[in-house]
Amino acid sequence: DTGVSQDPRHKITKRGQNVTFRCDPISEHNRLYWYRQTLGQGPEFLTYFQNEAQLEKSRLLSDRFSAERPKGSFSTLEIQRTEQGDSAMYLCASSITVSTDTQYFGPGTRLTVL
Amino acid sequence: DQQVKQNSPSLSVQEGRISILNCDYTNSMFDYFLWYKKYPAEGPTFLISISSIKDKNEDGRFTVFLNKSAKHLSLHIVPSQPGDSAVYFCAAKLTGGGNKLTFGTGTQLKVEL
Repeated sequence: DTGVSQDPRHKITKRGQNVTFRCDPISEHNRLYWYRQTLGQGPEFLTYFQNEAQLEKSRLLSDRFSAERPKGSFSTLEIQRTEQGDSAMYLCASSITVSTDTQYFGPGTRLTVL
Repeated sequence: DQQVKQNSPSLSVQEGRISILNCDYTNSMFDYFLWYKKYPAEGPTFLISISSIKDKNEDGRFTVFLNKSAKHLSLHIVPSQPGDSAVYFCAAKLTGGGNKLTFGTGTQLKVEL
């Protein structure tokens, strides 16, 4: 089985560096989501794709953040000029367009910015 | 502005008893609600959901109740098992308002032997 996978699982970087995370959704899922979770909080929505189109972006997604899903399959999330406040768990989820549209999450990428 | 609230950060229950996790929301436009369970170092795992046109949905040991007038939902786990120990998140969404989920802050459930 192939649930949602994310790579890397952990990333430690220095402030000011760029980082890129990858998400592979469940195959045939046409919707893909990125969330961010910090300690003691629930996941917060960042952005969402339907196929290759980015349909919604949160105001949490500053200009330093960019997400792509070029062929409607995997997605990447890039953070430029990382700041210590970017330290969080970055979660990816996918779903398929049916009545319930339940989102299934990957294991997350833990980012630590030193 | 926290639109989905889980006011109990933690709950401890004995094995075999009922666990009741609560969730309140403020946005009356939410029309679909979900519960996720999360173990440390893993992503949230979907448990059960309910549409706003229903007031109860059951799946095995898990039952979700929705009280729309009170803007309140609850997750019942019967009987509770040690493997149920995890953080439980309530989430809500608006159909037609994008597909983003709005999560509560979670409740840490500990099921003791």
